[in-house]
Order: sequence, then C-alpha cells, then structure tokens
Amino acid sequence: DGGITQSPKYLFRKEGQNVTLSCEQNLNHDAMYWYRQDPGQGLRLIYYSQIVNDFQKGDIAEGYSVSREKKESFPLTVTSAQKNPTAFYLCASSIPRAFTGESPLHFGNGTRLTVT
Amino acid sequence: AQRVTQPEKLLSVFKGAPVELKCNYSYSGSPELFWYVQYSRQRLQLLLRHISRESIKGFTADLNKGETSFHLKKPFAQEEDSAMYYCALAGHSGGYQKVTFGTGTKLQVIP
Repeated sequence: DGGITQSPKYLFRKEGQNVTLSCEQNLNHDAMYWYRQDPGQGLRLIYYSQIVNDFQKGDIAEGYSVSREKKESFPLTVTSAQKNPTAFYLCASSIPRAFTGESPLHFGNGTRLTVT
Repeated sequence: AQRVTQPEKLLSVFKGAPVELKCNYSYSGSPELFWYVQYSRQRLQLLLRHISRESIKGFTADLNKGETSFHLKKPFAQEEDSAMYYCALAGHSGGYQKVTFGTGTKLQVIP
C-alpha cells in the first residue's frame, strides 16, 4: 500500500500541546496538500506546497504550520493556537500541471487527532 | 476565489434507479473539475475528471460552463455505489494550483 503514508493513524494529545502529523510520499510528486475533514464540512484546505521550500496558506491555515524541506515530506504541526484541533487530517499529493491537463490528487489514509 | 457547492448532504435512491449528484462551482478562470469517492473504510480516491470525458463504474459527469455545474450521473444505481462523493475544483492562482472540495454527498443505495 505505497504512495502516500500518513502516520500515526490515531493521535491523542492534551490541550496546549503542539503536535506534528507526518506525511511522506514516494510518488515523486511535486505538489502536496493538507486537508481537514469534518462531518458536514467536507475537506477544507489547510496548506499546500508546489515545490520544496515553498508553501501557501489554504482556507483555514490559522493555528497550523508546515514545512517542506524535502520533496517527499510535508509535515503538519497543529499548534496550541488552533481552537478546534480534533479532526481527521488528510494529506494528498499530485503532479501539478499548471494551466493544462488534469492533476488528480492521491490521498493518504489520514490521521485522526483527538485533543482533550 | 474558488468555491464548490454540493447542495445535498444525503441522497437515497433505490437500486436500479437513476442517480444525479449535484455540483456547482464558482471560479473566474478555466476550471479543472473532478469527482472523488470514499467507500467505507477506504481512502479517498479519484472517480473521474472532466477533461477525460470518461465513464467510470457507469458514472459520467459533464461540465456545463453556462450553469457552472459538474453533476455526476449514473442511469442505474448499484448497492456498491453507496459511498461519500466529493466534487473538487483545481484552480490556478499566481502559479500555484489550489484544489477546493465541496462538502460532499453521501449516496445511499437501498436494496
């Protein structure tokens, strides 16, 4: 089950602690994305990156941070500033084809974060 | 700004009945549209994309730029079609590709 690996599958943290979710891909994709999936709200974009050392804020970036030091890796840190961090987090990657063609996303299995 | 709207949270149909999952979008440029599906206990995966004009598992979707819609259709629903369906739009801004999803529609096929 290669492609994109998210770890761990379940994560539990106390309120006030930062936590980092791992996302690794071996598809040689340039673009990587982090989404948050909540019931009734679909997938909401947190951060995305097109190339190494570059990333953009998505629609709900507040309280989150990312890094893209390697092409294969795009870790997401959920900081204590995130007001409602308990959620299911999905990582995805794609080969961005700027302005032409299709560029479907490949998803990981997700990490369920519970903060109490 | 880009936006995807899926007005139905739940759609229940009987086996053999036609299915139409609605998707409307808002985007100023030329959109790339997709349907993704999530079956129970499986990861989210691509179902089809508008640029390919293909039929996957009997599903089709036509991009209607005049109505800014990309509805997903299947003439005869099967039980195995029961899943969560997401419409997505890939837009481009400042050289970046941003992919926005709708809130999803749960399709329930009743035997």
